[in-house]
Amino acid sequence: QVQLQQSGPGLVKPSQTLSLTCAISGDSASSNSAAWNWIRQSPSRGLEWLGRTYYRSKWYNDYAVSVKSRITIKTDTSKNQFSLQLNSVTPEDTAVYYCARGWLQSGFDFWGQGTMVTVSS
Amino acid sequence: QSALTQPPSASGSPGQSVTISCTGTSSDVGGYNSVSWYQQHPGKAPKLMIYEVSKRPSGVPDRFSGSKSGNTASLTVSGLQAEDEADYYCSSYAGNNNLVFGGGSKLTVL
Repeated sequence: QVQLQQSGPGLVKPSQTLSLTCAISGDSASSNSAAWNWIRQSPSRGLEWLGRTYYRSKWYNDYAVSVKSRITIKTDTSKNQFSLQLNSVTPEDTAVYYCARGWLQSGFDFWGQGTMVTVSS
Repeated sequence: QSALTQPPSASGSPGQSVTISCTGTSSDVGGYNSVSWYQQHPGKAPKLMIYEVSKRPSGVPDRFSGSKSGNTASLTVSGLQAEDEADYYCSSYAGNNNLVFGGGSKLTVL
C-alpha cells in the first residue's frame, strides 16, 4: 500500500519560502509509471493543482501557470521523497497543502495527510 | 471562482440515489474523458472515487458511478449510506498540463 507522509512548517512569513517534503513508502519516486504532485486547498481558491515531477529515463517537472514563476519541485531518490518550494509567499498562499500520486488525466489515487500552512508575520 | 460548476449541496435519504453534476466547457469536461471525482470527509485528504469519467479504483463500492454528457459530468451515489455524507469534488484535465476543479458539493444523508 502506498503511503505519503508530509512534513514541514505550518507558519511562514510573507516574502519567505514555503518548503514541504513528502516521503514515499510502498512505491518509488523514480517509478516509471507514477507522477508525484503537489495540490493545495483553501476556502478562497478551492482545490488547486500546483505541479508534478516524474521520471521517464530523465526527470520532468510541470507547473501550474498560476505559480510557475515561484515554484520548484525536487526529488531526493536516496530518501525516496519529493519536495515543494514556493517562493515569495503572500497571505494568498495560506492553504492546506497535499502531496499526491497520480496523473492529471486519470486522477490522484494516494494522498498525503495534508499540511496547513499559514502565511503571516 | 472555480472553473467547473457544481451545486453547493445535495441530499438524500438512506437507500436512495443522488446525482451530483459538474459542468464545464468543451475545453475541459467536454474535450477529454479525464473527469475524476473525489470524496472528502472533514479534516481528511480527498479520496479518489471515480477516474476517467466512469472507472472506479479498487476498493470503491460499485454504489458510486460516473458518467458524462457533453460538457457535464455526473456522479451518482446509489443506496445512500450514512458514511457517504461528505464533500464531493470533480476535476477535469483541460489540456496543456492544466487541471481544473469544481467548487465542491456537500452531500447530506438525511
